[in-house]
Amino acid sequence: QKEVEQNSGPLSVPEGAIASLNCTYSDRGSQSFFWYRQYSGKSPELIMFIYSNGDKEDGRFTAQLNKASQYVSLLIRDSQPSDSATYLCAVNAESGNTPLVFGKGTRLSVIA
Amino acid sequence: DTEVTQTPKHLVMGMTNKKSLKCEQHMGHRAMYWYKQKAKKPPELMFVYSYEKLSINESVPSRFSPECPNSSLLNLHLHALQPEDSALYLCASSDTGIDTQYFGPGTRLTVL
Repeated sequence: QKEVEQNSGPLSVPEGAIASLNCTYSDRGSQSFFWYRQYSGKSPELIMFIYSNGDKEDGRFTAQLNKASQYVSLLIRDSQPSDSATYLCAVNAESGNTPLVFGKGTRLSVIA
Repeated sequence: DTEVTQTPKHLVMGMTNKKSLKCEQHMGHRAMYWYKQKAKKPPELMFVYSYEKLSINESVPSRFSPECPNSSLLNLHLHALQPEDSALYLCASSDTGIDTQYFGPGTRLTVL
């Protein structure tokens, strides 16, 4: 069974610090990796996607992928209280009826 | 434009009612999805319409039935629901069945 693991948190960081969110996955054939941000009571919002090993930067967000270690992370620089949310890691299962497998999410709290 | 719209935003229904949730996307995406999300849990896939083919999560009870009138619309028909079906129902779309998924705002369903 394909699994995606995340630490549920809460992860608390002070305002202005770097928040590091981690995710591991079990299916070595996975090709695409996504980070969604979800505020309480709202729908998931796509933050980043990454397909290749290495880093991908978009503003304050950096996604890192290491396929050999089956590990993907999201760094948030200069964390703001508005970044406080649950971050869902999702992995493309390559084929079949469940194209995305979600982790349980990490709750991030940025303290002002 | 990565907009997926859902109506209604909120729905309260009794266990004997029949209601429908609606989802629409105008991005030309060829796959659409229904998810159910309970509090503090990740989204759980219910149905996928991809290239006019329906895939079903076999754990979804028959009181939920999807309908895809055309490639831009996806409905979810509800009948004889139970209180445990109360949840946030999310619609998503993607260009293909393994591409980035974009979520609508969701419908908050309460079954009395």
